[in-house]
Amino acid sequence: QAGLTQPPSVSKGLRQTATLTCAGNNYNVGGQGAAWLQQHQGHPPKLLSYRNNNRPSGISERLSASRSGNTASLTITGLQPDDEADYYCSAWDSSLSAWVFGGGTKLTVL
Amino acid sequence: QVQLVESGGGVVQPDRSLRLSCAASGFTFTGHTMHWVRQAPGKGLEWVALISYDESFKYYTDSVKGRFTISRDTSKNTLYLQMNSLRTDDTAVYYCARESAAPGDFDYWGQGTLVTVSS
Repeated sequence: QAGLTQPPSVSKGLRQTATLTCAGNNYNVGGQGAAWLQQHQGHPPKLLSYRNNNRPSGISERLSASRSGNTASLTITGLQPDDEADYYCSAWDSSLSAWVFGGGTKLTVL
Repeated sequence: QVQLVESGGGVVQPDRSLRLSCAASGFTFTGHTMHWVRQAPGKGLEWVALISYDESFKYYTDSVKGRFTISRDTSKNTLYLQMNSLRTDDTAVYYCARESAAPGDFDYWGQGTLVTVSS
């Protein structure tokens, strides 16, 4: 089952802004949007943003999600060392009747 | 607080079976669709299966169809994954995850249980 497309890595400096992208199609990202998850090494994933771009309780306002057509984006402002992690997007694919994930983006904060 | 605790992982030979469990607490188990998601060593996340809140539907990723069965026991607030005919490429950390209310995303995750398929 085809997944979503994310760049393997993004590097940005401390206190800079990073924008992560997630490309899909009309049946997944373009249909109901994509959620975003963060995973630190050795830990389970953590939900950062719902598919409607709302943040769960407790998630920093430095994070914002958006969508344009079949591509979803996660923007993190004022990068901190703890933002260094793997980021995944996820979406329900109505043509596959399956959930799909992106391959993940490793964010490095320099 | 919401807690999901997986168990049942271990080392198993190819073509053998294993059953994973996920004990849920801190929320109304019957009100949420539940999922299994796995992550092979050094790889990304892969969705495995889901079971609706009322068990009315189940979906599986293609690679496990006919081999894995997802189920839930509401009397025990526990989610299961019966894995048969295991293959080496099933080696992964298996997470159970809760699906939130609308829009329905993976809002809580367990710590995971490692399944290693090796001869």
